[in-house]
Amino acid sequence: QKEVEQNSGPLSVPEGAIASLNCTYSDRVSQSFFWYRQYSGKSPELIMSIYSNGDKEDGRFTAQLNKASQYVSLLIRDSQPSDSATYLCAAHPNFGNEKLTFGTGTRLTIIP
Amino acid sequence: EPEVTQTPSHQVTQMGQEVILRCVPISNHLYFYWYRQILGQKVEFLVSFYNNEISEKSEIFDDQFSVERPDGSNFTLKIRSTKLEDSAMYFCASRREYEQFFGPGTRLTVL
Repeated sequence: QKEVEQNSGPLSVPEGAIASLNCTYSDRVSQSFFWYRQYSGKSPELIMSIYSNGDKEDGRFTAQLNKASQYVSLLIRDSQPSDSATYLCAAHPNFGNEKLTFGTGTRLTIIP
Repeated sequence: EPEVTQTPSHQVTQMGQEVILRCVPISNHLYFYWYRQILGQKVEFLVSFYNNEISEKSEIFDDQFSVERPDGSNFTLKIRSTKLEDSAMYFCASRREYEQFFGPGTRLTVL
């Protein structure tokens, strides 16, 4: 079983709608979770981190974590064309300085 | 806002040659990382570095790879004898608490 799994998409969402991105993970990596945005040819850009069950909101972004279901999601409200990118889910244990384990990413396209 | 920087942005080399990729982490961060991303694939961990020594490395990080922090600001990744399959984007990252911040990357092309 892969450690972090994402639907690769592509996911197309109309401008102004809510985009919902999902990620599941195995126990081995399950403590801290991160969503990165990666534009084509660019580096991952951290947009959200979440460490405990529930929702965490930052502007138009909401991360949701459910450790019992081993599930983390990212909602983007009022989607803009500039949100079109690949969204990477990543995880690592809370302790030490261990690596981030990334999913394959979900490509999101916002349709004007 | 402080950022991780990397040089060069693009490196072209011949198979078998040595390359050194350079990174300047964010100044008050203590943990440093190298990742790579082969075109169309996911980001993969290579190595983590703390207190002037390697703290973890992946299976990819074999004897051809080495890392060094030669002074108080730079963090380097050396590939001793490049292979075609080393062609990838190489990202440096530094960490604050649990969050890792990535540099813009170096695109390495091995011919």
